[in-house]
Amino acid sequence: DIVLTQSPGTLSLSPGERATLSCRASQSVSSSYLAWYQQKPGQAPRLLIFDASSRATGIPDRFSGSGSGTDFTLTISRLEPEDFAVYYCQQYGSSPPMYTFGQGTKLEI
Amino acid sequence: QVQLQESGPGLVKPSGTLSLNCAVSGGSISSGNWWSWIRQPPGKGLEWIGEISHSGSTSYNPSLKSRVTISVDKSKNQLSLNLYSVTAADTAVYYCARNGRVCLEYWGQGTLVTVSS
Repeated sequence: DIVLTQSPGTLSLSPGERATLSCRASQSVSSSYLAWYQQKPGQAPRLLIFDASSRATGIPDRFSGSGSGTDFTLTISRLEPEDFAVYYCQQYGSSPPMYTFGQGTKLEI
Repeated sequence: QVQLQESGPGLVKPSGTLSLNCAVSGGSISSGNWWSWIRQPPGKGLEWIGEISHSGSTSYNPSLKSRVTISVDKSKNQLSLNLYSVTAADTAVYYCARNGRVCLEYWGQGTLVTVSS
């Protein structure tokens, strides 16, 4: 089974700064099968990025995804106050069909 | 835009069955998408439980497969989750979601289920 490891566990930044969140897979992942989610306290996760680099509907362009193979990155170019949340990466494995999540990165002020 | 709403008992006794429904609005459950259940223990990360197609084909997380059934009721436009022989470790917020392209595109707000006597 593929394990996703996110780093850092907690990232402390200020509004206006750039955030770089990492997701490393234990074995190679198809770029098409990597997604990122944002979760705020008391809310459901929200899809940000799919196919490693495609923004979901309504997601601001300050959010971008990149990477391939085993190393993927979510970048937030200029942090807004509403961006402080927990971020999860997710991969899809087809044999057997299964969604797996990283443990999350908390982005705090 | 599709909306999902989970419902069901908030408290289940140990060794009992956790049963939840997910009502879909703003779209048909027969639209061709797959639909998933995901859970999140308090203060912890996300765990995918399983998925179902509009025609009833299913896939389950191997770690839960022996205890889980997911079904679809087209007449009610909803999907259901049954988790059997629950323990305190099954206490979590349970979410339903509509699958996108190998991602989870739309999520319900979630419902907390506590397993306790």
